[in-house]
Amino acid sequence: NAGVTQTPKFQVLKTGQSMTLQCAQDMNHEYMSWYRQDPGMGLRLIHYSVGAGITDQGEVPNGYNVSRSTTEDFPLRLLSAAPSQTSVYFCASRQAGTPQGYTFGSGTRLTVV
Amino acid sequence: AQKVTQAQTEISVVEKEDVTLDCVYETRDTTYYLFWYKQPPSGELVFLIRRNSFDEQNEISGRYSWNFQKSTSSFNFTITASQVVDSAVYFCALSPLDTGRRALTFGSGTRLQVQP
Repeated sequence: NAGVTQTPKFQVLKTGQSMTLQCAQDMNHEYMSWYRQDPGMGLRLIHYSVGAGITDQGEVPNGYNVSRSTTEDFPLRLLSAAPSQTSVYFCASRQAGTPQGYTFGSGTRLTVV
Repeated sequence: AQKVTQAQTEISVVEKEDVTLDCVYETRDTTYYLFWYKQPPSGELVFLIRRNSFDEQNEISGRYSWNFQKSTSSFNFTITASQVVDSAVYFCALSPLDTGRRALTFGSGTRLQVQP
């Protein structure tokens, strides 16, 4: 099925570990972005990309890196996990010039202990 | 800077009541998009509507309607004859039209509980 695929769905990390959250879309969307969702705070933008090779920081970029080497993939790297990064992470994509909104992945629930 | 405010943290209604979810936004952009998303208890985010800033026509889709007023920077969402399946968290969001800055700024969400 077409859509945004996030892996893994659940992850537990120890403080200081690094990992990569994967995001892939098969809709040839130009725009992709990463958000984190914390209770009472809605979704906050971490990083986004408007096309392959182009990325920019969002509201809460510290502690995260991204790259966009292909249109399909937009991985999010946690460099040295901290308990404050415990959250639910959503990846989203959207095609330019269409009336549709962003399509979201099903989320990754990350716990840092 | 952009900001979206959803002042109603939680609303509880009885089935068949009408309910309006408020959304107020701030932006320096003259052109932008506004969105509403639904997040049911299962956790996924479901797109409901996108509205361009230069199109102030109200929109109705079944039991859902949206009232966009640029003069008051508001984009309110009304559910008519609410149903238990409408129970969810609803998010209002804003995005610039500028192709170099296409990402969403979300409000903090309104949790809607529809009691049978």
